[in-house]
Amino acid sequence: NAGVMQNPRHLVRRRGQEARLRCSPMKGHSHVYWYRQLPEEGLKFMVYLQKENIIDESGMPKERFSAEFPKEGPSILRIQQVVRGDSAAYFCASSPGRAGNVQETQYFGPGTRLLVL
Amino acid sequence: AQTVTQSQPEMSVQEAETVTLSCTYDTSESDYYLFWYKQPPSRQMILVIRQEAYKQQNATENRFSVNFQKAAKSFSLKISDSQLGDAAMYFCAYIGSSNTGKLIFGQGTTLQVKP
Repeated sequence: NAGVMQNPRHLVRRRGQEARLRCSPMKGHSHVYWYRQLPEEGLKFMVYLQKENIIDESGMPKERFSAEFPKEGPSILRIQQVVRGDSAAYFCASSPGRAGNVQETQYFGPGTRLLVL
Repeated sequence: AQTVTQSQPEMSVQEAETVTLSCTYDTSESDYYLFWYKQPPSRQMILVIRQEAYKQQNATENRFSVNFQKAAKSFSLKISDSQLGDAAMYFCAYIGSSNTGKLIFGQGTTLQVKP
């Protein structure tokens, strides 16, 4: 029973380039969450998605960042024109998405470490 | 807004002994869940234990147990018979009924286990 998959595990980009981070939820899970962890800090919520819908993007910067979770395929977190301050670990989590339950346990992937040079 | 505070940046314990990690939170909600996650050097986030606020009984998972004091808004993690593999960063996290799936994390406590 595969867990949450994220790729790539490590990503190096130069300032101004685009970064695409992918997340495949656990089998049977329809809810995906993205978090960012800066060095020596806890995880900070970015965005919560269900299939084809963004439920809550209150933690995501308004510019340069976008997220999607299409009907088919993985969830994508996209960062355009990356800057050094975007260097962080980006974690994806998933949950089953049982109706009306916003407090389900979230299971995390291994994270993508983004380094912006 | 809800907040989670871990006041111990670092803790250490001798192998086979017991250690308690502290966590306090602030919320006006009555329906919420609390979690402890472990982040070893691999940086993978691993669920350790979960507590529903409506349950008075403290959650237990093998060597891990919590002391949930709802009135005091305290949620500490006790690790018994500590093992070298327990060395990691531990995060306390909160999710409430109004959070739309948003986990709120504390700053983390780094646990060192001494052989």
